[in-house]
Order: sequence, then C-alpha cells, then structure tokens
Amino acid sequence: DGGITQSPKYLFRKEGQNVTLSCEQNLNHDAMYWYRQDPGQGLRLIYYSQIVNDFQKGDIAEGYSVSREKKESFPLTVTSAQKNPTAFYLCASKQGNQPQHFGDGTRLSIL
Amino acid sequence: KQEVTQIPAALSVPEGENLVLNCSFTDSAIYNLQWFRQDPGKGLTSLLLIQSSQREQTSGRLNASLDKSSGRSTLYIAASQPGDSATYLCAVNTGNQFYFGTGTSLTVIP
Repeated sequence: DGGITQSPKYLFRKEGQNVTLSCEQNLNHDAMYWYRQDPGQGLRLIYYSQIVNDFQKGDIAEGYSVSREKKESFPLTVTSAQKNPTAFYLCASKQGNQPQHFGDGTRLSIL
Repeated sequence: KQEVTQIPAALSVPEGENLVLNCSFTDSAIYNLQWFRQDPGKGLTSLLLIQSSQREQTSGRLNASLDKSSGRSTLYIAASQPGDSATYLCAVNTGNQFYFGTGTSLTVIP
C-alpha cells in the first residue's frame, strides 16, 4: 500500500537532547512537509522540501533542522534550541497540484 | 500573510441532520483548497480538493464549494452519522505553502 510512515508514534526528549523524527513515503511524491500541531491551534509549517537536496524554512523553523537526501525520506530533528517542543508532529507529501497526504503523526513530550 | 478561519469552532447535531462547515481565507490568490478530517490522536485524512478554477467537488455525502473572490469555502455533510464525528480542517494552498484553519470539532449524537 502506498502511504506515509512516521516513526516513532511517541517520543520523549530529555533536556539538552536532540531527537529525530522519521518520515518515509512510497508515493513517489516530490514535495514533503513537516507541521507542528498544538491544542487549539491550526497546523503550522516547520519546513518543506519541493525536491531532493533542497528545503525551505516554514513559519516556525527555529530550533528544528531537516535533510532531504532521498526522495522518499524527510527526517526532522528537534534540537535542544527548541524550548517548547511538546507537540504533535505531522509529516505530509504531495505531487504537483494533487491532494496533500499525511502520516499518522509523532507525539513528542518532555521528560 | 494568508489567514484561514473556520466557524464554528465546535458543532453538535443529532444524527440525520444536514450541516454546513465554513472556511474563510484572506488572500484569494490560491492554487486550491483542501478539506481534511482528523480523528483524535491521528493524522489528517483528505476529504476533498477543489482547484482554484472549480466551484465545487462532491464525494458521497460530502460537497465542498469554493468562492475564491469572496475568500470562502463550505463543506456540506448530508444525513450526518455518528461516524462523522471528528475535527474538520480546511487548508489553502498558495503555491509553496499550505495554511490551515483551526478546525471545527463535530459531534453527531445518535
């Protein structure tokens, strides 16, 4: 089945630690996105990538980093510089003007 | 910057009722608009995508309309069922980015 796989489903971060969230898609989509969702707020864009080896900052990129070395993979690192990382993180992909598809999300909490 | 608003924030209806969810956006320069459903603790499921040149799209009991000039879209759900209970989000595509509303939380009472 084609789709987007996010792992892990739950993740805990200690103070001063960097953590990496995985996002893999087998839809052959060029564009991939990372969003953050907080209670009572809409999704906010962290980073996006329109093509391999290229990515752009979204509205809330500070404290996060990404890479796009392969078309199917777009990992997100939450660095220790992100002071309020507790949130639900969603990865998405799309091709051209077609619908955006989402993974099932990763819930990040602070220990 | 594009601002997307969804009204109402929450809605509770008895089973079988027809209902309308609203989405408004501030900048009419959009490529398309997408409606999603989100169940608690889950990702988003795409319901309908309306391209900027289209006026409406239908899928089963769902019908979405788009009036780009007035910055509005509606999602019409016919004959609501308890399984329709979820949060519904709209998102506008401005080219490189999508901007999301905060959603409407729908509860359908059996």
